[in-house]
Amino acid sequence: NAGVTQTPKFRVLKTGQSMTLLCAQDMNHEYMYWYRQDPGMGLRLIHYSVGEGTTAKGEVPDGYNVSRLKKQNFLLGLESAAPSQTSVYFCASTPGAKLFFGSGTQLSVL
Amino acid sequence: AQSVTQPDIHITVSEGASLELRCNYSYGATPYLFWYVQSPGQGLQLLLKYFSGDTLVQGIKGFEAEFKRSQSSFNLRKPSVHWSDAAEYFCAVGSSGTYKYIFGTGTRLKVLA
Repeated sequence: NAGVTQTPKFRVLKTGQSMTLLCAQDMNHEYMYWYRQDPGMGLRLIHYSVGEGTTAKGEVPDGYNVSRLKKQNFLLGLESAAPSQTSVYFCASTPGAKLFFGSGTQLSVL
Repeated sequence: AQSVTQPDIHITVSEGASLELRCNYSYGATPYLFWYVQSPGQGLQLLLKYFSGDTLVQGIKGFEAEFKRSQSSFNLRKPSVHWSDAAEYFCAVGSSGTYKYIFGTGTRLKVLA
């Protein structure tokens, strides 16, 4: 039972490049989330999904897009990366309350 | 709109001393409330949660928290801190209606030997 798996774990981008972060969960959870963690800012919700085919904006959605085509996967896309998007990104899922987190993706945008 | 405030950015306590970390929330209905802990370079681990019922909840590692509706607070406490408790602690709020979970900015705990 892998839980929540994030791919990749580390990535360095140049300004303007695009990339997709993949979150996969094998617990059949309905709800999935993308957060970013920055020093002194805590975890801020980027986007979330309450079921397959649905997505909703969180606190800091600008510059990101998401898709939940399959229940087990939640993709986070950066179309044109900016240095302000340098952060640690966490994916989480839940059946309804307790959040299960992935191990994080460290992204640097130069 | 949901919001969570953790007014203390850093707290330092001596090993064996008691601990209280503050959390205030803003939410229209009865919220789900959580405390998570993150050790350096690690993911987040759930310490305890409150949904309803008894306002004093017990968690793992000897932590407890008390929900006070009148003060919109959910403070985390531990009677005697251990050096291994040094970490960053996050309060979070959510609901069964929106399933939107918002975190506070965190409190970094340092424990002196």
